[in-house]
Amino acid sequence: DVKVTQSSRYLVKRTGEKVFLECVQDMDHENMFWYRQDPGLGLRLIYFSYDVKMKEKGDIPEGYSVSREKKERFSLILESASTNQTSMYLCASGRTQYFGPGTRLTVL
Amino acid sequence: GENVEQHPSTLSVQEGDSAVIKCTYSDSASNYFPWYKQELGKRPQLIIDIRSNVGEKKDQRIAVTLNKTAKHFSLHITETQPEDSAVYFCAASNGNFNKFYFGSGTKLNVKP
Repeated sequence: DVKVTQSSRYLVKRTGEKVFLECVQDMDHENMFWYRQDPGLGLRLIYFSYDVKMKEKGDIPEGYSVSREKKERFSLILESASTNQTSMYLCASGRTQYFGPGTRLTVL
Repeated sequence: GENVEQHPSTLSVQEGDSAVIKCTYSDSASNYFPWYKQELGKRPQLIIDIRSNVGEKKDQRIAVTLNKTAKHFSLHITETQPEDSAVYFCAASNGNFNKFYFGSGTKLNVKP
């Protein structure tokens, strides 16, 4: 059974802080994705990675960066958190998108 | 880029009735169309998918149809049950599975 885990379920940060969200998958998937989910907007792709150290911007990359040093781990970084980045962040893995449980981030 | 539109945003049906959710897409290069179910407080999970070389696919009470010419695809749930209550998302992707474009979601409420 595919397992995708995320480092935190809930996170509260202050404006300007650097925030790290981590995602780990155990199925040797090449493709990994980061989305944010907001009511009425569905899931919007922030970044994806198709291999170690390879990354591509999604539809809303501004204010975010990513890191993929190992195949199983894909990290999302908010360089300087802002209140408009308060959201649910979902990681996904694999060709048919196995999702992690999500991290609800609140930026105060 | 691709644009996926999903309707309706909310749908309320009586238990036992059928439910239909529709999506349209804009990019003719899209050839993979999955549907996800997200129960309250849980992660989205794939429930059915269809590829562009197939017009219809069925799995027990759920089915998906695809009209490539019109660029729309639909999810059909028959004999709905209260446990079908959830938010459903459609998505479209190209053959490389590198980018997925999601609809805005449909909240389905099945009344007992």
